[in-house]
Amino acid sequence: KAGVTQTPRYLIKTRGQQVTLSCSPISGHRSVSWYQQTPGQGLQFLFEYFSETQRNKGNFPGRFSGRQFSNSRSEMNVSTLELGDSALYLCASSLVGRGRDEQYFGPGTRLTVT
Amino acid sequence: KNEVEQSPQNLTAQEGEFITINCSYSVGISALHWLQQHPGGGIVSLFMLSSGKKKHGRLIATINIQEKHSSLHITASHPRDSAVYICAVTNTGNQFYFGTGTSLTVIP
Repeated sequence: KAGVTQTPRYLIKTRGQQVTLSCSPISGHRSVSWYQQTPGQGLQFLFEYFSETQRNKGNFPGRFSGRQFSNSRSEMNVSTLELGDSALYLCASSLVGRGRDEQYFGPGTRLTVT
Repeated sequence: KNEVEQSPQNLTAQEGEFITINCSYSVGISALHWLQQHPGGGIVSLFMLSSGKKKHGRLIATINIQEKHSSLHITASHPRDSAVYICAVTNTGNQFYFGTGTSLTVIP
């Protein structure tokens, strides 16, 4: 089986712009979760989607949003980028989600906001 | 206050040593995860636990629900074990909380 893929791998944006990141889960996995990793805050949970519905959300402002398509592919969007949004964004897929089964992580998208 | 605390933050070991990384948490959990992150960012899930003990090769993970504590052990450590090890929990409200990670360096 192909692993979790994320595109793009690297991205440079300017403050105030918006960005869309994409995640393709392992075939058959219906849960996709998104995480932000920064040197200062470590790993933080953004949100989880299951069967096109957001099932869980972390403590992030409304500028961070996501969606999931019928083929389980997911996108996350960050609007009005701030310098502090520079981070590694990881997605992970699993069969049932909610942290109750093994998650498979993608390689991440490294976003730099200048 | 962090919901998940790991110790030590940094660990250097000689090849062949037995290594223990500890994780304490303060919330009620439905599961605890041990993750491994190599330089470059890729994360691999090592274990998911809700009780007892699991073993994969040289890696052993234990959890004590009453004491809200988990340990990750590496037997016969090898330089390829050098990575950051992250403890994460899912609480009963399905929120994820992560420890800050333990950076392990194994010297040949």
